[in-house]
Amino acid sequence: GAGVSQSPSNKVTEKGKDVELRCDPISGHTALYWYRQRLGQGLEFLIYFQGNSAPDKSGLPSDRFSAERTGESVSTLTIQRTQQEDSAVYLCASSYPGGPSEKLFFGSGTQLSVL
Amino acid sequence: GNSVTQMEGPVTLSEEAFLTINCTYTATGYPSLFWYVQYPGEGLQLLLKATKADDKGSNKGFEATYRKETTSFHLEKGSVQVSDSAVYFCALSPQGAQKLVFGQGTRLTINP
Repeated sequence: GAGVSQSPSNKVTEKGKDVELRCDPISGHTALYWYRQRLGQGLEFLIYFQGNSAPDKSGLPSDRFSAERTGESVSTLTIQRTQQEDSAVYLCASSYPGGPSEKLFFGSGTQLSVL
Repeated sequence: GNSVTQMEGPVTLSEEAFLTINCTYTATGYPSLFWYVQYPGEGLQLLLKATKADDKGSNKGFEATYRKETTSFHLEKGSVQVSDSAVYFCALSPQGAQKLVFGQGTRLTINP
């Protein structure tokens, strides 16, 4: 597609349920990032994938959070047993190889609301 | 650790006013510095960047200079337009790291 696509755009769930968020990066972009943005706060790094290398998971806030990416395609971010503090916008970004000094292209995000 | 501190918002200006949005950072080594912008209803996009000290990034009339001595990367524009209304994020990429560290964002509103 023309840009980074994220789905769903909005997700409302009950506390304790699992959710899965999806990101389709731009074709040819080997680097993929997940960020979280809580209301009124900056973007918080969660995880980084680069090709077939081991992902950088240093930003995942707890073991309830996990992410997968198959090759250089779709990535899914899974949050198990959701809590109210997980409510945020989850942003995905992709870029060409070269790390963050390359231009990152962001999706429009998934707004997650945990009731 | 690595962190970015931005000028508190929101900022409201009249059209053709001069804009400064302050950004300071804390990092080890020589990070790369960025400004990203999010226009209403759109995703974040790169506005400009600077990868070494004294570099000036510029785009769409905006400028920012990498000042290592003051650990700053302030965003400036000489004459803002209504279309510049957006949220602006300052960010850094730590040397050797594969991620961006963002500030909290500054909402800018330009009135005609």
